[in-house]
Amino acid sequence: GQNIDQPTEMTATEGAIVQINCTYQTSGFNGLFWYQQHAGEAPTFLSYNVLDGLEEKGRFSSFLSRSKGYSYLLLKELQMKDSASYLCAVRDWTSGTYKYIFGTGTRLKVLA
Amino acid sequence: EAQVTQNPRYLITVTGKKLTVTCSQNMNHEYMSWYRQDPGLGLRQIYYSMNVEVTDKGDVPEGYKVSRKEKRNFPLILESPSPNQTSLYFCASSSRTAPRGYTFGSGTRLTVV
Repeated sequence: GQNIDQPTEMTATEGAIVQINCTYQTSGFNGLFWYQQHAGEAPTFLSYNVLDGLEEKGRFSSFLSRSKGYSYLLLKELQMKDSASYLCAVRDWTSGTYKYIFGTGTRLKVLA
Repeated sequence: EAQVTQNPRYLITVTGKKLTVTCSQNMNHEYMSWYRQDPGLGLRQIYYSMNVEVTDKGDVPEGYKVSRKEKRNFPLILESPSPNQTSLYFCASSSRTAPRGYTFGSGTRLTVV
């Protein structure tokens, strides 16, 4: 089947580093995405991985291992504004159609 | 500016009164979708459309209708809203190879009393 798992909640301290893990199962992997979502707002794009390895973008990095069905989002130098939910999503392409499968999100609390 | 425009942002209505939430995108995306988001349940797909006149059910389609008469528009229709449809709704669009995945609308907070 198709499934995505990520932790429900994490807490970290301002200035620290936090890693949010995501494991997935799909039949037609076509890319993995991380989105940030503040309460009551729309998700916004953070990163995209389609090949194995690390993608770095400023304070945010995302890693993908397709053979393991595993990704993580790494946030460095945490700031209070990073308190949000982080959604892992996989684009699955099967039988001429595609869809996005979302995890339920990881709520990150950054403490002063 | 590339965007998905969703209206209204907030809506309070009464049980049984038909309503439509509009969604329009300006990126020529073939794929559009509606989600609802409830605490602890994440984003759940209601309906999606692969292209004009092609729509299909998502995971929670009961009580909703959609249409895709033009590529840019994908309205969500609640024929007879009920309180269990109180939720935060998002429209989103994408293309098959879009490197940013979905572009989301700003959301509609619907309350049915």
